[in-house]
Amino acid sequence: DAGVIQSPRHEVTEMGQEVTLRCKPISGHDYLFWYRQTMMRGLELLIYFNNNVPIDDSGMPEDRFSAKMPNASFSTLKIQPSEPRDSAVYFCASSFGYHEQFFGPGTRLTVL
Amino acid sequence: GENVEQHPSTLSVQEGDSAVIKCTYSDSASNYFPWYKQELGKGPQLIIDIRSNVGEKKDQRIAVTLNKTAKHFSLHITETQPEDSAVYFCAAPQGGKLIFGQGTELSVKP
Repeated sequence: DAGVIQSPRHEVTEMGQEVTLRCKPISGHDYLFWYRQTMMRGLELLIYFNNNVPIDDSGMPEDRFSAKMPNASFSTLKIQPSEPRDSAVYFCASSFGYHEQFFGPGTRLTVL
Repeated sequence: GENVEQHPSTLSVQEGDSAVIKCTYSDSASNYFPWYKQELGKGPQLIIDIRSNVGEKKDQRIAVTLNKTAKHFSLHITETQPEDSAVYFCAAPQGGKLIFGQGTELSVKP
């Protein structure tokens, strides 16, 4: 298996633009997690899905953030409109059961 | 909810020395404690984990110990090598998710 795949790896955009981050989990995994990592706040869980259903979105910062998982092999995290404070590395992780999570390589987002 | 505290935030050791990172957790019902290693530019990777029915687990040069009474668990790395330099995270479960510590940046000097 190729592991968790994220795209794009780097994204530079201007404030106010819409940003869409994509994730392909490991085949057979039933949990998918979106994290944000910054120096100030460390590794934060934004939202997670179980069997494509959002279970806990309490970490989503505000209404500008939304996430979907239309099927077992694809998820998106969207920020609209983006702001400079959204600049961070965003990770997607998947697992079978929530214990052993496999992380993707991350998307480094810069909002100018 | 679960609260995970990790110490130290930075740790510098000489190659060949041992390194110890400690974490405390708040929820006495927690039963699974993983450790992740994050190298520069990469996502965190699980390196070892322990469940609450054992007190210690070893895998070559790394080991994890768990003290359920005191609600803390530790990562031990022996005979450190430069490739051990990375950021290490502990975590504990809360519902269907993991709560991560703030991370420890380990630097192994040759």
